[in-house]
Amino acid sequence: GESVGLHLPTLSVQEGDNSIINCAYSNSASDYFIWYKQESGKGPQFIIDIRSNMDKRQGQRVTVLLNKTVKHLSLQIAATQPGDSAVYFCAETHDKIIFGKGTRLHILP
Amino acid sequence: NAGVTQTPKFQVLKTGQSMTLQCAQDMNHNSMYWYRQDPGMGLRLIYYSASEGTTDKGEVPNGYNVSRLNKREFSLRLESAAPSQTSVYFCASTDKTGGADTQYFGPGTRLTVL
Repeated sequence: GESVGLHLPTLSVQEGDNSIINCAYSNSASDYFIWYKQESGKGPQFIIDIRSNMDKRQGQRVTVLLNKTVKHLSLQIAATQPGDSAVYFCAETHDKIIFGKGTRLHILP
Repeated sequence: NAGVTQTPKFQVLKTGQSMTLQCAQDMNHNSMYWYRQDPGMGLRLIYYSASEGTTDKGEVPNGYNVSRLNKREFSLRLESAAPSQTSVYFCASTDKTGGADTQYFGPGTRLTVL
């Protein structure tokens, strides 16, 4: 596989447990946020987004929380499965998009 | 609907060789982007095209050129490849519906320059 994310922080979670991946963003003017999932050898895949006028948004098994006060974004994955194993990174947008470096999610059997 | 496609998937070049990476999208998006992804660096923008007929430099444009051939296609050219250009290259296109900038990515081209 590719060598993306050799030095990324890693989160190890037991299969079936909930995962919480955190992201600190930099621009207080950012008004739109996206979470991406990147599996080994593949391109980033859109998971869920949230606008700055919201503090929570839910999808299928995923929830994104936005705390504008501390410029913090989190992705919660319910009942983590082996297929969730990937690098997850956030992106913030205002006049341009800025990508975070990502967190590797490792699923323990 | 294939989304964003990229060719080739893998490429090995010798220093000084040239090549063009191809990208096409079938989502009728106006904006297209080229990124490179290196370990621990995240995605870095090389060039982008906000609309057909326009191109602009991103964060790391040196050593690259681009062509927005039509609305569907956006190519990236390395005129004289260098080992520092060893990376994974991703093309993306944007649906700016409602002002949001959700980018959709291709599968990537893994380039090694010897």
